[in-house]
Amino acid sequence: SQTIHQWPATLVQPVGSPLSLECTVEGTSNPNLYWYRQAAGRGLQLLFYSVGIGQISSEVPQNLSASRPQDRQFILSSKKLLLSDSGFYLCAWSVDSLSGYTFGSGTRLTVV
Amino acid sequence: DAKTTQPTSMDCAEGRAANLPCNHSTISGNEYVYWYRQIHSQGPQYIIHGLKNNETNEMASLIITEDRKSSTLILPHATLRDTAVYYCIVRVANTGNQFYFGTGTSLTVIP
Repeated sequence: SQTIHQWPATLVQPVGSPLSLECTVEGTSNPNLYWYRQAAGRGLQLLFYSVGIGQISSEVPQNLSASRPQDRQFILSSKKLLLSDSGFYLCAWSVDSLSGYTFGSGTRLTVV
Repeated sequence: DAKTTQPTSMDCAEGRAANLPCNHSTISGNEYVYWYRQIHSQGPQYIIHGLKNNETNEMASLIITEDRKSSTLILPHATLRDTAVYYCIVRVANTGNQFYFGTGTSLTVIP
């Protein structure tokens, strides 16, 4: 069966420090991969999506970047975190354009 | 993608059916209706989706009106674990068309 792994579960980072969040999917090939962010008390915002290795689409300009070095690996990064980067970061995958997404358990990031 | 309108919050007694409405009056012919839910501090969970016909799975039933301008998600026997925020999303099923989550309906199942 397919599973999605996302880590760490919680993270506290100082302003100006780098960030790397990793997401991996098992049990499927060539998934569509997504990064979402949910700020406190707000809805989910799509940050990036990828339909294949090295293919990244960005939905909003921001302080973050994404990479897909392997078929089932999706990484969210920042060179210098801002206070406004705090939030709940969720990785998700789908098998095709019709299917619903399967979300990971999320990373709660607090920038201090 | 078409916008959706959902009530901000609803209550439901445990063991009763929970009926969550969603209006999508500007939906286009090739847009699907999707439902997700998010339990506090967890990632959203896909529930069900449909285009025109009513759909049922092990989690819920989706009733879409004939004109497709509204739909209802039905949880047949609500439990306390169904307390969550429920999102109704309409979307064209093309690669590159993403799910845009609004604020949803906060459902509280009462013992």
